[in-house]
Amino acid sequence: QVHLVQSGAEVKKPGDSVKVSCKASGYTFTSYAIHWVRQAPGQRPEWMGWINVGNADTRYSQKFHVRVTITRDTSASTAYMELTSLRSEDTAVYYCARDLVGVNSNPAYWGQGTLVTVSS
Amino acid sequence: DIVMTQSPDSLAVSLGERATINCKSSQSVLYSFNNKNFLGWYQQKPGQPPKLLIYWASIRESGVPDRFSGSGSGTDFTLTISSLQAEDVAVYYCQQYYTTPNTFGQGTKLEI
Repeated sequence: QVHLVQSGAEVKKPGDSVKVSCKASGYTFTSYAIHWVRQAPGQRPEWMGWINVGNADTRYSQKFHVRVTITRDTSASTAYMELTSLRSEDTAVYYCARDLVGVNSNPAYWGQGTLVTVSS
Repeated sequence: DIVMTQSPDSLAVSLGERATINCKSSQSVLYSFNNKNFLGWYQQKPGQPPKLLIYWASIRESGVPDRFSGSGSGTDFTLTISSLQAEDVAVYYCQQYYTTPNTFGQGTKLEI
């Protein structure tokens, strides 16, 4: 079955960068987009962007566009999300999720989440 | 960005009774080319990622109990739980994927 396993929790200082990984298994990695969604404590989920794993095309939320980069390594069936210039408001759980049907639909299968804490 | 607004913010329902959650989008999420509403519903329990319940506004995800149903089109949508069970206590979110950025509603907290 579809399984997404994310890297472990991170503690960063303001101004740092963080890179979260998401290893996929149980399906053909290149046939489905991977979304990245974050959720701050007590808040609604917030979509950050996605990558079409097949052709590496990316789409980002304008809110994060300058600071976020989503990549993938097809040989490792792993997607990555890097967020730069971290600030305290970036403290959140970051999730990767596989697209439901391929591309341009909704996140269906979610990783366990990675807590990123930004604190001086 | 499309703004998703849910009502109510919280809801208390007795076991076995019906629960209804509404979601309104600031613009239509109906794609006329394929007549599909790009609207999903998620359930989230504490410490867990969101779980997809409904996609294309009314299609139940595999393994989701049939007491969950979705309806609506265009800008107005509803999630109905026909007979509330104890395990349905959670926060429920609607999400549009008609355009990027995909956006979520603020959530509805469902309690017994």
